[in-house]
Amino acid sequence: KNQVEQSPQSLIILEGKNCTLQCNYTVSPFSNLRWYKQDTGRGPVSLTIMTFSENTKSNGRYTATLDADTKQSSLHITASQLSDSASYICVVRMSGSQGNLIFGKGTKLSVKP
Amino acid sequence: DAGVTQSPTHLIKTRGQQVTLRCSPISGHKSVSWYQQVLGQGPQFIFQYYEKEERGRGNFPDRFSARQFPNYSSELNVNALLLGDSALYLCASSPWTGMNTEAFFGQGTRLTVV
Repeated sequence: KNQVEQSPQSLIILEGKNCTLQCNYTVSPFSNLRWYKQDTGRGPVSLTIMTFSENTKSNGRYTATLDADTKQSSLHITASQLSDSASYICVVRMSGSQGNLIFGKGTKLSVKP
Repeated sequence: DAGVTQSPTHLIKTRGQQVTLRCSPISGHKSVSWYQQVLGQGPQFIFQYYEKEERGRGNFPDRFSARQFPNYSSELNVNALLLGDSALYLCASSPWTGMNTEAFFGQGTRLTVV
C-alpha cells in the first residue's frame, strides 16, 4: 500500500531553536518527494521538491534530505521563528501518467516565544 | 499575479444536498487537481484535469464529479452529501502534468455538512 508516514505528530520548540521532522514512505513507483508548509485553514505551500537523485535541498532556513534507498526524508528547520508555527506535510509523487500526490498526515509544529 | 482562487471559502449544507465548488487556476496553468482534507489528516487526491480532460481519479464514490472549462477553471460537484463529506477541499494548479511540476494550492473551501 502506498503510504507516507511522518513523525512526530506534533512538536513544540522555543523560538530560535532548531528542529528536524521525519518522513518515511512506501510509495512506488517513486517520482519525487515534496515538503509543504500548511497554515491552519489554508492551502499547502511548497518548500522543496527532490527527485531520487537529490540528497539535499535547501530553501532559506529549511533543509530537506532524501535517502531513496531507505525511503526516508527529513526536514530541518534552523533558527525557528514564531511564523514557522504550522503543519509540515511530506508528499510523495508517484510516477506514471496519473502522477498522484500521496500526502502524509503532517507534523504540527508550534514555536513558542 | 493572482494565485489559485477558490470559491466559496466556507459552505454549510444539509445531508442529501448537492454542492458545487469552484477553482480558478493561476493564469497560464492548464492542469487542475482536487483534494479532500479531513480534519487532522493529509489531503486525499480526488481528480486531476488537464486540457479539459480527466487525467486521474482517486478512490472516491461516483457522487463526486468534476469538469474543467475552456478557460481552465474547474468545478467539483458532490451529490447526496454525507456527514463524512465535511472537509477542506483544496484545488491545486500546475502549468502542465510533468512529474516535477510544482503544484500551487488555493486556500480551500471549508464544507460543513449538517
